[in-house]
Amino acid sequence: GQQLNQSPQSMFIQEGEDVSMNCTSSSIFNTWLWYKQEPGEGPVLLIALYKAGELTSNGRLTAQFGITRKDSFLNISASIPSDVGIYFCAGFQGGSEKLVFGKGTKLTVNP
Amino acid sequence: GAVVSQHPSWVICKSGTSVKIECRSLDFQATTMFWYRQFPKQSLMLMATSNEGSKATYEQGVEKDKFLINHASLTLSTLTVTSAHPEDSSFYICSARDTWTASYEQYFGPGTRLTVT
Repeated sequence: GQQLNQSPQSMFIQEGEDVSMNCTSSSIFNTWLWYKQEPGEGPVLLIALYKAGELTSNGRLTAQFGITRKDSFLNISASIPSDVGIYFCAGFQGGSEKLVFGKGTKLTVNP
Repeated sequence: GAVVSQHPSWVICKSGTSVKIECRSLDFQATTMFWYRQFPKQSLMLMATSNEGSKATYEQGVEKDKFLINHASLTLSTLTVTSAHPEDSSFYICSARDTWTASYEQYFGPGTRLTVT
C-alpha cells in the first residue's frame, strides 16, 4: 500500500533546539495527522489538520497542511528531553477511512 | 477523552496455542476499529478494519482464518491469533474512531506485545 515519505528518518539534537520534520506524497490527502509514539506504547495524536494551508499549534508543536495537499510539516520549538520518541505523520485520502502512515522520525534529545 | 485500552499489555504463549487480545473504547462509541501490527523500528501496518455487527475487512496478505476479529459491541473489538507461531510475535495495536464525530481521527490503544515461544 501507499506510504508517505517522511523525513528525516532520525534526528539527534541538543535540548533547547528547534526541530522540523515533514511528510510528502505524490497524491492528495484530505486530512493530515501527526502522532508521537514512545517505546512500548501506542501512538498518541498530537495535531490534526483538515484544510489546505491550515496552521495549527499544540503547545510547542506547530504543524501545517500544505497548500498542494501533498505535504505537511511538524515543528517542535525549544525541545526538551521528554520530546524523545518516534513521530509519525499519517493521512486520509478521498473517502477512505484507512490511515496511511509515514515511516516515522526518531527524535533523540541530548540534555 | 478518546481513551482506548488494550488487554493484555503483553502475553507469552506457546506455539500452536491461540491468544485473544481485547480493544476497548472507554469513553466513546466506536462503530469502526482498526487492528495494526508493528515490527521493531518499523511503521504501523494495517491488518484489518473491524466493523460492529459485521465481518471485518482484511488487508491483502492478512489471513482472516488466522487472525479472527470480532466486534460484538460499540466499545469492544477482539483479535484472536489462532495457532500462533513464532513469526506471529509482534506488537499489535488497535485504534478506534468515534462514531459520533465527523472526523476520521483514530485513537490508538497502548498496544499488546505478543511473544510466541
